[in-house]
Amino acid sequence: EILLTQSPGTLSLSPGDRATLSCRASQSLSRNYLAWFQQRPGQAPRLLIYGASNRATGIPDRFTGSGSGTQFTLTISRLEPDDFAIYYCQQYNSSPRTFGPGTKVDIK
Amino acid sequence: QVQLQQWGAGLLKPSETLSLTCAVYGGSFSGYYWTWIRQSPGKGLEWIGAINHSGTTNDNPSLKSRVTMSVDISKNQFSLNLTSVTAADTAVYYCARGRLVFPPDYWGQGVLVTVSS
Repeated sequence: EILLTQSPGTLSLSPGDRATLSCRASQSLSRNYLAWFQQRPGQAPRLLIYGASNRATGIPDRFTGSGSGTQFTLTISRLEPDDFAIYYCQQYNSSPRTFGPGTKVDIK
Repeated sequence: QVQLQQWGAGLLKPSETLSLTCAVYGGSFSGYYWTWIRQSPGKGLEWIGAINHSGTTNDNPSLKSRVTMSVDISKNQFSLNLTSVTAADTAVYYCARGRLVFPPDYWGQGVLVTVSS
């Protein structure tokens, strides 16, 4: 089973700031099958990024995914009020699919 | 517009069977892996498994012995049964649409299942 770790656990920032979130896999994701999800309180997760760097339908371009192998990054260029949420990475390179523990982006 | 709507019993006693159903509205039912994921405070997001329209499943070994998934293509619905539940199975259960090599892109609203005596 591939384990995912995310850092930091919490990121305290202000609207307009740049957010950089990390996800590290215990084994190389040979096909970069890594996704990022956003979850707001009381809502289901929402797919942001798939294939490490492809934005899902309707996702604004301030969200950028990058990385390969075992190290991946989600960057939010300028935080808007709705972006304060929890972000999870998920690998779908092998079964069982696994999620990281999440990074909470909260308002400073 | 694809929508997933799920339902099932929200309160169970230990040793009972959890049963949830998810209906898919809009889009095709074929060509996807219909997925179950749960979220608990203690374990975060956990992938339970997935099933396609022909009944082929992809299971999480940690739950496999207790999990049964099924599809009803006539109704565009899929279901999850989890036997012998304990307090550790208390979680919000989500259904979602995925593909073999694509993450879940549409999700149900989630159902809170509490296991308590």
